[in-house]
Amino acid sequence: EADIYQTPRYLVIGTGKKITLECSQTMGHDKMYWYQQDPGMELHLIHYSYGVNSTEKGDLSSESTVSRIRTEHFPLTLESARPSHTSQYLCAAQQGGGDQPQHFGDGTRLSIL
Amino acid sequence: GENVEQHPSTLSVQEGDSAVIKCTYSDSASNYFPWYKQELGKRPQLIIDIRSNVGEKKDQRIAVTLNKTAKHFSLHITETQPEDSAVYFCAASKGINYQLIWGAGTKLIIKP
Repeated sequence: EADIYQTPRYLVIGTGKKITLECSQTMGHDKMYWYQQDPGMELHLIHYSYGVNSTEKGDLSSESTVSRIRTEHFPLTLESARPSHTSQYLCAAQQGGGDQPQHFGDGTRLSIL
Repeated sequence: GENVEQHPSTLSVQEGDSAVIKCTYSDSASNYFPWYKQELGKRPQLIIDIRSNVGEKKDQRIAVTLNKTAKHFSLHITETQPEDSAVYFCAASKGINYQLIWGAGTKLIIKP
């Protein structure tokens, strides 16, 4: 079934570690997004991509980086995790333009000790 | 840039009653307005959307209305049930080359 997959679902890790959150979609959608969300709170856009080799920063300042080497894969990397990075990270994909719905993955709950 | 305001931030209604959540947008060029439901610990899911060439859209117990003149759109849920308890997000977009701009969310509580 076409879907969007995020791994890991939960991650507890120490300060200073390098982390990569994985996001893959089997829908063939061009656009992909990363949001940061504290549980039940506002969605903050941190990165987006409109296609292969295209990445942009979102509205929320973030110390993370992303890459888009393949259409289906959009990983997010934190070079040196800090407690302030503790949050939920949601990946989304969208076909066509801004007038189409975004489809979300289940998210990664990240806790930095 | 575009700004979307969502009210109320928390809404508590008796089971069986109706619930209304309202969003106001700032950019009159916005033409796409989706609503998402996020249950506790789950992903946001699209429940209904409307485009600017339509004033109202219904899907069973949920409906969305759009007032382009006043630049607001509302989500209406009738005959609320416990499973309607969730956080609801509205969003707006100007179209193909623009992102979705999100409201801050409304926590809907259905009281038994």
